[in-house]
Amino acid sequence: EAGVAQSPRYKIIEKRQSVAFWCNPISGHATLYWYQQILGQGPKLLIQFQNNGVVDDSQLPKDRFSAERLKGVDSTLKIQPAKLEDSAVYLCASSLSSGRPFSYEQYFGPGTRLTVT
Amino acid sequence: DAKTTQPNSMESNEEEPVHLPCNHSTISGTDYIHWYRQLPSQGPEYVIHGLTSNVNNRMASLAIAEDRKSSTLILHRATLRDAAVYYCIPQTNYGGSQGNLIFGKGTKLSVKP
Repeated sequence: EAGVAQSPRYKIIEKRQSVAFWCNPISGHATLYWYQQILGQGPKLLIQFQNNGVVDDSQLPKDRFSAERLKGVDSTLKIQPAKLEDSAVYLCASSLSSGRPFSYEQYFGPGTRLTVT
Repeated sequence: DAKTTQPNSMESNEEEPVHLPCNHSTISGTDYIHWYRQLPSQGPEYVIHGLTSNVNNRMASLAIAEDRKSSTLILHRATLRDAAVYYCIPQTNYGGSQGNLIFGKGTKLSVKP
């Protein structure tokens, strides 16, 4: 079974530039997540999709971050314009479904390491 | 969210058992306890989850205290590949009913040959 794919793996940009990340979840997984992981910290959820609808984007800085999941499969996360504090690893994850009482296992991609100079 | 307490770091020798503790004293009675780990330069991966009874799978065992205020992840024979950050995540740390994970800082496990 193919895992969660992400690209690019690394990206270096200057502040105020734009950047986009791509994620292809595991086939058949309805739920897709984007996390931000700053060095030395655990991942923090940015946005969660159920199929192509947004379930939770409460921690997404909407003035500069945007995300979409067209057709309920692939997803892109965009930052425009980037700030120095956006330097982090951006992780995509997917799961079969979500919700209580048991939240399905999440499968993570390798992440995209973003450096903003 | 249920507060969790894990050691910042632990060390183990290769081929010896490792017990990784987690305190989650405010967990509610119906919430699962999940463990994920993150190997260097990789995304987190699921390890195990449980509710009340001890659980075993091919990766690890999970021992849950009778009062459910703490749990211990057990790696029966540590290998160099087990060096990672281990996260304990009570289900109350899921955002509402949405199933998302709220990670703490976890325990960094080092394995010595």
